[in-house]
Amino acid sequence: KNQVEQSPQSLIILEGKNCTLQCNYTVSPFSNLRWYKQDTGRGPVSLTIMTFSENTKSNGRYTATLDADTKQSSLHITASQLSDSASYICVVSAEQAGTALIFGKGTTLSVSS
Amino acid sequence: NAGVMQNPRHLVRRRGQEARLRCSPMKGHSHVYWYRQLPEEGLKFMVYLQKENIIDESGMPKERFSAEFPKEGPSILRIQQVVRGDSAAYFCASSPFLETQYFGPGTRLLVL
Repeated sequence: KNQVEQSPQSLIILEGKNCTLQCNYTVSPFSNLRWYKQDTGRGPVSLTIMTFSENTKSNGRYTATLDADTKQSSLHITASQLSDSASYICVVSAEQAGTALIFGKGTTLSVSS
Repeated sequence: NAGVMQNPRHLVRRRGQEARLRCSPMKGHSHVYWYRQLPEEGLKFMVYLQKENIIDESGMPKERFSAEFPKEGPSILRIQQVVRGDSAAYFCASSPFLETQYFGPGTRLLVL
């Protein structure tokens, strides 16, 4: 069964600190993995997208890694800001044209001052 | 270029009524996806449409739910005879081809 598991479920950190969010998946065959940021009451916004051959992708203070062998990904946030408080969702796409995406439940990050 | 637009943003219906949710994709995008997000749950795929065609509706309940994306106008997700379990946030996303999906702000449906 295609599944995406994220950990931790929630996380609280102080402003300026770094954090790493984890994503494990069992989707097969694999096409790509995306990280989205979803602010409360808003739709998800894409942060990074990685295919099988890519093992790291950065977008500003966000760096995503992918290990396709172990089927694990991480999202590292550097020097966190209050505006980073949101839900971070790992999404995996199976290798089928026009297919649905499989969403994790997300990690809720709270950055406090 | 405006982003994906969804309306209404909030919708309240009584059990048994119909709910119509609208999604206007970004300009130039011909692929539309609908997702449902229950409280404390991740988004779940419902249906994928291209102009005038349903490509994949494997995530959409067979009864009471329907979707369309006409040649002109927005995509519509229709829920007939709503029940309390239909209360959720419904998100629409669009893409120009098989690429990154851009999400709308969602419609929050509350069934009383």
